[in-house]
Amino acid sequence: AQTVTQSQPEMSVQEAETVTLSCTYDTSENNYYLFWYKQPPSRQMILVIRQEAYKQQNATENRFSVNFQKAAKSFSLKISDSQLGDTAMYFCAFTAYTSGTYKYIFGTGTRLKVLA
Amino acid sequence: DSGVTQTPKHLITATGQRVTLRCSPRSGDLSVYWYQQSLDQGLQFLIQYYNGEERAKGNILERFSAQQFPDLHSELNLSSLELGDSALYFCASSVVGEAGNTIYFGEGSWLTVV
Repeated sequence: AQTVTQSQPEMSVQEAETVTLSCTYDTSENNYYLFWYKQPPSRQMILVIRQEAYKQQNATENRFSVNFQKAAKSFSLKISDSQLGDTAMYFCAFTAYTSGTYKYIFGTGTRLKVLA
Repeated sequence: DSGVTQTPKHLITATGQRVTLRCSPRSGDLSVYWYQQSLDQGLQFLIQYYNGEERAKGNILERFSAQQFPDLHSELNLSSLELGDSALYFCASSVVGEAGNTIYFGEGSWLTVV
């Protein structure tokens, strides 16, 4: 079975500092996709960044970047120059084509608080 | 704006009642997913449709049902509502092979059962 694990329920970081959120996953698939979604207090689910497993280069979106370690099945999110607006719940997610469809597995989330 | 539209945004209803939540996927997306998120909880996958057909089922109660119509919009029907059904219900959509198979979420429908 495919699983996604986020081992840090809560984290905090000072404004302008860098923070890394951890995510590990388990799968026997070779082709898959990984995502980080942000859920601010408004509860909207917002895509932060995505990574295709076949790409060796780590994805980057402005202040957000990932460290994708395929062999270790690790997919961490680094937020640089943290801003107050980054305060949110962050979910790691995985998808692969299984049993005739793409199934999306979400981690339990990491609640990040950016401190002024 | 993700392009996924959900209505209603907020709904308050009494125990034992039935409600219908509606979702319009992004233009061109054939897959629709429904998720339930209770307060301070993660996302619970309920059900997925692809081009009108059920493709995957998660932890969906027998009191809940869904369907996807020919115009690709989807409805989630919740019946015999209980207090524990109070949650945020998300619809998400995707198109295979595009944008890294990303799913895009609507803003959710807040359901409060009193």
